[in-house]
Amino acid sequence: GAVVSQHPSRVICKSGTSVKIECRSLDFQATTMFWYRQFPKKSLMLMATSNEGSKATYEQGVEKDKFLINHASLTLSTLTVTSAHPEDSSFYICSASSAGGLYEQFFGPGTRLTVL
Amino acid sequence: RKEVEQDPGPFNVPEGATVAFNCTYSNSASQSFFWYRQDCRKEPKLLMSVYSSGNEDGRFTAQLNRASQYISLLIRDSKLSDSATYLCVVKGLGTSYGKLTFGQGTILTVHP
Repeated sequence: GAVVSQHPSRVICKSGTSVKIECRSLDFQATTMFWYRQFPKKSLMLMATSNEGSKATYEQGVEKDKFLINHASLTLSTLTVTSAHPEDSSFYICSASSAGGLYEQFFGPGTRLTVL
Repeated sequence: RKEVEQDPGPFNVPEGATVAFNCTYSNSASQSFFWYRQDCRKEPKLLMSVYSSGNEDGRFTAQLNRASQYISLLIRDSKLSDSATYLCVVKGLGTSYGKLTFGQGTILTVHP
């Protein structure tokens, strides 16, 4: 399968700071990237869908001004958690797909965020 | 009602056992169905797609019943390496065609 990377794999930050997470598709062009969040012992929840060159579509209940998504190229999407608080501590996972998500989504290894 | 519902388990079975997981989904317009496995602190990985006719991949058999909105996964001859969380996943809900909706997962532990 295709390879998707995420950076950083783990981040610990103080409350109030902003954290940027990168998601890269290494060997294919990802027209669509998805951002998920997973709290302990819970399932993955889709936060937003981003298409290259356009604004992200956020799921209900996800604040777009808090979780800034940029998908400026076919191989890179970024998620910025602004003014992070302890309740934002979670496992953030991206996935990448071609053809608007029509085909298989390939998941990145995830980023574990801990906000102190 | 949750969009995708699974028995969270945990299931604890000995090596060699056969174990079955069930899943139900609420939206009859759902398009595609999958089973993923997720190891602790890792990303989910696609185990297999699920087709209406039923499909098998080695020791794994998946079934879909669209009328009952029910999906199952059967694992035969369990191995220690099968220990993981198994996620039932439905695609095509909501406004995003590509959107994957995950069940809460069923935890499987295979012991010697």
